[in-house]
Parts: sequence; structure tokens; C-alpha cells
Amino acid sequence: NAGVTQTPKFRVLKTGQSMTLLCAQDMNHEYMYWYRQDPGMGLRLIHYSVGEGTTAKGEVPDGYNVSRLKKQNFLLGLESAAPSQTSVYFCASSPWGGAEAFFGQGTRLTVV
Amino acid sequence: RKEVEQDPGPFNVPEGATVAFNCTYSNSASQSFFWYRQDCRKEPKLLMSVYSSGNEDGRFTAQLNRASQYISLLIRDSKLSDSATYLCVVVGPAGYALNFGKGTSLLVTP
Repeated sequence: NAGVTQTPKFRVLKTGQSMTLLCAQDMNHEYMYWYRQDPGMGLRLIHYSVGEGTTAKGEVPDGYNVSRLKKQNFLLGLESAAPSQTSVYFCASSPWGGAEAFFGQGTRLTVV
Repeated sequence: RKEVEQDPGPFNVPEGATVAFNCTYSNSASQSFFWYRQDCRKEPKLLMSVYSSGNEDGRFTAQLNRASQYISLLIRDSKLSDSATYLCVVVGPAGYALNFGKGTSLLVTP
């Protein structure tokens, strides 16, 4: 059972570089989410999607873009990385809004 | 005011103790409520859903008080393996995303 898979698991970027984080789920879930977790801040929602082809902004969307071209994949892009984006990023999916969410193992991103 | 608030702890308790965590939420129209558990450097995992009638799963009991906008988690007979961070999670009225509290840290000691 793969569940929710995130790649990569670790990455170090230089300021100004770009990258894409990939999230894949094999549970046929409609909803997918990207969160970031920082010490003392808890998990904060970056962007989410309620179905294939849809995306919406969460609590902290600035500096990030997302795409959901296929139902099973949700991509998070950083166009020009900044040190403030150093964080642990979690992807999650759920069958519908308000249901239990299943999380990937996280991506630890450091921007230097 | 943050949507979901928890006492960050840490709670240090001996094995076998009973410990209770509380959580308050700000939006009275919130729809769903959960407790998640997060181990160090791991992803959050669902511990249990929280229902208005209260629910129990083994040593864990969750309660919801909609009138006071308050959720609780009771852990009886604590085990060393219960050491983790417990996250209170609330789904707002829009029903699209989970709002997390900052978590309560529990350390169970021998």
C-alpha cells in the first residue's frame, strides 16, 4: 500500500533556484493538500485541490504555485526559492472535504 | 485569534498515568474534528475522529463540546510508546481543509 508518496524526501536549494515537489496518491482521493510545518508554527495550508484540474490558495500561498493535471498527482512549485521557505513540506489527500486526510512522509527543504 | 489552540506542553507523565489534552476552536460552524498523532520527524497520522457523542478506542477517549467549542483527548494507562505530539484538527465550515493546532507534546517516562 503506497498511499501518499512524496518526492524528493530531502533537498538543499540555493536562494533563487526553482524546484518542484511531487505528490502522488493511489487511493483515488478527490482532495489533495500541501502543508508546510515550521517549529512553533504547526502545519499551515499552502494550496489545495478539490479535484483534477482545480487548485486554490490556502493560508500561506505566496511564493508557491501548484498544478493538478492528473487526479493522482499534485505538484508544488517554488519559482525562486528564499531562505524563508526552508521547512518540512507535507502532502496529504482525502476522499472528500472534512474526511480523514492521509499524509506523505514529508520533504525536508533547506534554502541557503 | 488562531482557529485551533492547544496547550503546547510538554506533558511529562510516568507510565500508567492518565493524561488529558484540551483544544479550543474559534469557528462555531466547524464541521469535523480529529486527533492526529505525530512522531518526531514523521508525518501526522490519524489517531481518532471526534464525535459529538464522544468516542472511545481502547485507552483513548475523545470528547467534543460544541457549545463551548472544546475538544479533549484522554489517554489512560500511558505507555512509553504514547510519547509523541498530539495534534488537534478542525475542519472549518467551508469543509475543504484541515486546520491544525500547534500540537501538544507528551513524554511518557519509565
